[in-house]
Amino acid sequence: EDQVTQSPEALRLQEGESSSLNCSYTVSGLRGLFWYRQDPGKGPEFLFTLYSAGEEKEKERLKATLTKKESFLHITAPKPEDSATYLCAASGGSYIPTFGRGTSLIVHP
Amino acid sequence: DTAVSQTPKYLVTQMGNDKSIKCEQNLGHDTMYWYKQDSKKFLKIMFSYNNKELIINETVPNRFSPKSPDKAHLNLHINSLELGDSAVYFCASSQDLGPGGNTQYFGPGTRLTVL
Repeated sequence: EDQVTQSPEALRLQEGESSSLNCSYTVSGLRGLFWYRQDPGKGPEFLFTLYSAGEEKEKERLKATLTKKESFLHITAPKPEDSATYLCAASGGSYIPTFGRGTSLIVHP
Repeated sequence: DTAVSQTPKYLVTQMGNDKSIKCEQNLGHDTMYWYKQDSKKFLKIMFSYNNKELIINETVPNRFSPKSPDKAHLNLHINSLELGDSAVYFCASSQDLGPGGNTQYFGPGTRLTVL
């Protein structure tokens, strides 16, 4: 059974304080590792898809990396508007993603 | 332009009633999904349709019945609503289920409250 575990559950940062969110996955034959951002009362917003170990993608202050067992979402010099829940998902042979429980990020000004 | 839309956004109803949630995507995608998000924000897949054909039907009570009239629409009908059905329901779509095509795009969600 595919499993995705995210840590920490919650993270509080000061504005400008860089950090990383972790996503550990167990799937048979990775077909995609996905990162989403979810704001309160809204649907998940797509950020990145990674397909193979060593792959990296960047968007503004966010950078996603992938190894054979985990993915990291690095947040550089975060701003209060980066506050959200970040969801990770991984898909295996069925191509249907399994989601983790998310990391709730709060960035204080 | 809204890519994936759902109606209604909020749904408040009594136990035992029957209700429907509608979903439409204008992305030209072949695959659509329904997810349930519980109070702890966990997203759990319920159904997936590919080219109007049901391909995933997770352990969901048969009171839930999806219907896909065409590739752009996937509706969810719920019979005999129960208190435990209260949650946020998300519709999503992806290009297809193949390599490189399974990135999902989500709708805004429907918050269902059963009293």
